[in-house]
Amino acid sequence: QKEVEQDPGPLSVPEGAIVSLNCTYSNSAFQYFMWYRQYSRKGPELLMYTYSSGNKEDGRFTAQVDKSSKYISLFIRDSQPSDSATYLCAMSQYSSASKIIFGSGTRLSIRP
Amino acid sequence: DTGVSQNPRHKITKRGQNVTFRCDPISEHNRLYWYRQTLGQGPEFLTYFQNEAQLEKSRLLSDRFSAERPKGSFSTLEIQRTEQGDSAMYLCASSLQIEETQYFGPGTRLLVL
Repeated sequence: QKEVEQDPGPLSVPEGAIVSLNCTYSNSAFQYFMWYRQYSRKGPELLMYTYSSGNKEDGRFTAQVDKSSKYISLFIRDSQPSDSATYLCAMSQYSSASKIIFGSGTRLSIRP
Repeated sequence: DTGVSQNPRHKITKRGQNVTFRCDPISEHNRLYWYRQTLGQGPEFLTYFQNEAQLEKSRLLSDRFSAERPKGSFSTLEIQRTEQGDSAMYLCASSLQIEETQYFGPGTRLLVL
């Protein structure tokens, strides 16, 4: 069993829809939770970072962490075609400036 | 461009050959990371450095893989006696020790024939 599980998709939604992306994990020692976005043939870029449980909002993006359920989510409001990419959840035990464990990624497509 | 740079961007080699990749981190970033990503998967951690010290190495990394960061600036990743299973994108990232963000380079795509 992988430490981090993520539905690979693909997920296709119309422009303007709310998108929900999720991951589960098995290692209760994870403290730092991240969402990265990766466009085709590019390296991942950090979207959201959360320490421990709770919610964090940044513009159209909201990240949620529920450590009791070992479940994290990313919500995208008012989705745009430019949001089409692969979204990777990621987590770390000691700090985000150390070893990161990534999910397999969910490929998202926003239809105009 | 002040981002992480990786060279070469693409490498095709025959099985059994050695290959070396280079990563130049963002200036003054003291941490440097190597990951490997195969098609349809997320990046898989290989190793990371703080300055010239290698702090952690994945147990998945066989003895054919070696990474160095001799002066605490650029890093090299060498794969000896390449196998077809080594075909992947090799990603480098850098960060400050106190910062939350790892900045990734564009990767080196390796194909072993």
